[in-house]
Amino acid sequence: GAGVSQTPSNKVTEKGKYVELRCDPISGHTALYWYRQSLGQGPEFLIYFQGTGAADDSGLPNDRFFAVRPEGSVSTLKIQRTERGDSAVYLCASSLSDGAFEAFFGQGTRLTVV
Amino acid sequence: KQEVTQIPAALSVPEGENLVLNCSFTDSAIYNLQWFRQDPGKGLTSLLLIQSSQREQTSGRLNASLDKSSGRSTLYIAASQPGDSATYLCGVSGSRLTFGEGTQLTVNP
Repeated sequence: GAGVSQTPSNKVTEKGKYVELRCDPISGHTALYWYRQSLGQGPEFLIYFQGTGAADDSGLPNDRFFAVRPEGSVSTLKIQRTERGDSAVYLCASSLSDGAFEAFFGQGTRLTVV
Repeated sequence: KQEVTQIPAALSVPEGENLVLNCSFTDSAIYNLQWFRQDPGKGLTSLLLIQSSQREQTSGRLNASLDKSSGRSTLYIAASQPGDSATYLCGVSGSRLTFGEGTQLTVNP
């Protein structure tokens, strides 16, 4: 595709519910990253995929957060038992291969847990 | 663990002024450094990418420099315009991008 696409752009959910956030990277990019950004802060790393596998998931805050990339393209970030503190903008980025290449970001999904 | 600091946190200038945004990082073992722009409610737009072997990159009114040994980068914006108002983020790339908290720039007409 022309750029990194994230859906939905906005998601409002009730505390305790399960949510899925989708990221469609630039075609041909093998590296995919998820970040979380709170208001007034810089993006915080969550997880990095190289192809289908999670190369680094050290930023996932706890076991309620999980991400998959089964075919090495689209990725889904899954959050179980959402809490109000999960409210943030979730950003996805992709790059051609790894950190040596330019990263391109999507527009983000704004998650609000009420 | 890489730590990135951006100074100043906020900056307000009159239109036409030249300005410098600063970024410092603690681990010099990096692939590259990217400067991004973020408008309110939007994602990050890449402005400039400097590879670790480079000293600077230029794009239009923007010039970014990198001193890897001292762990510093600067973004120079010439002849600032109101449309430059945004948050500017520095991302340092090791295995992944690590960000500072950004500089919020306001250019007043």
